[in-house]
This record gives sequence, C-alpha cells and structure tokens, in this order.
Amino acid sequence: KNEVEQSPQNLTAQEGEFITINCSYSVGISALHWLQQHPGGGIVSLFMLSSGKKKHGRLIATINIQEKHSSLHITASHPRDSAVYICAVRTPGGSNYKLTFGKGTLLTVNP
Amino acid sequence: DAGITQSPRHKVTETGTPVTLRCHQTENHRYMYWYRQDPGHGLRLIHYSYGVKDTDKGEVSDGYSVSRSKTEDFLLTLESATSSQTSVYFCAISELFVPGQGAQNQPQHFGDGTRLSIL
Repeated sequence: KNEVEQSPQNLTAQEGEFITINCSYSVGISALHWLQQHPGGGIVSLFMLSSGKKKHGRLIATINIQEKHSSLHITASHPRDSAVYICAVRTPGGSNYKLTFGKGTLLTVNP
Repeated sequence: DAGITQSPRHKVTETGTPVTLRCHQTENHRYMYWYRQDPGHGLRLIHYSYGVKDTDKGEVSDGYSVSRSKTEDFLLTLESATSSQTSVYFCAISELFVPGQGAQNQPQHFGDGTRLSIL
C-alpha cells in the first residue's frame, strides 16, 4: 500500500506570502493529484500530474518521480486560498482507478 | 462543475437504524466511489463501482453495502448504523482508464458531501 505523507499539517501565512506544501509517497505512482477543500465545502481537483510541472494562475505543482515527492506552491497568497490541500496518488496496477490520499494540509492566510 | 448530486446533505439518525445515501451523476462516467472523511484521517475508500452492477470493496468496507443498478446512481447503505459511522461521506466519479492503451489518467470529481451523525 502506498503511504502518502503531507507536510506541514498546518500552515499560517500572511497575505502575499509564497506558500509551499509538500507531499511524499512510498511507492512508484502513475499520477498524483492535488485537491482543495474549503471549510465545510466540497473537494475540487486542482492538478493532476505524472511528471514535471503544471501551472494554473497563482498555483504551481511540481513532481519529482525519482524522489517520490511533489510540491504545491501558491504565489501571492490571498485569504481566499485558505483551505485544506490534499495530495492523492494513483498506484499502477489493475484497470480500476483508486486513489490513496494524504491527511491534508490546513492553510490559513491572514489579511 | 461535474454534475454530481449527493442526497441527503445532512442526516441525523439513531444507532441500529438503516441509512441509505444516494449519489447521482449526469456525466455518464463509468467509475463511482464512496469515501468517508474523518479528522486525523485522509479520505478513505469504502466501496467503488466500475460499471452497472459491478462493485468492489475499498479499505473500510465493513458495515457498508452498495448498489449500482444504473449508470447514474450509486447507493451506499448502512444496514445497522453505529456511532463509529458518524462521518462526512463523499461520492466521486471518474472516467474510464485503461492501462496500456494510451488513455490519460483522469481526475476524480467529487460531490458536496453528506454529513451523517449517528446518535
């Protein structure tokens, strides 16, 4: 079973700061997902990547397959970025599509 | 947003009663999933479906059953609810992925969740 670890568990930042959230996993994967969950809210897929880097607005996700590590960066953070960020991985094998999730990182951005 | 509707959104019930949660999709996706989310744990898979009448267990399936009689609906049933099943339940859907055929990994799309309290 793939073990997914996220760090930090909690992160507090001031508006405008550069944010980094980390995710590491124990077994080789075919894809890694970053998800966002606002307090009391639903879960939204931000990125899905299997190599390199992806960018969407102020969010950047990178992955290093050799080191089994991914980072999610937020530039110019804003209070509306406050949410739980969840890393999830798909481990190869089989024709189904199951994910293993990290426990999430709670980000609070203060104005 | 993907067309996924969970019902009910909130439910309070008593230990020992049966409970059914419904997930309805309008995307015609093949795969559907039920997760539970609890403090201190990541999302954990309860059951999933890979087609009509095709289901399989996840990592925390004890005490739960599922049914999928048509593509758009995936039901989660707690036959006799226990307090340990108090949780937030999420349904998710995804496209078919076929290894070795060049298909792309597809993201999962989540419903808004059902908050279930068992007293």
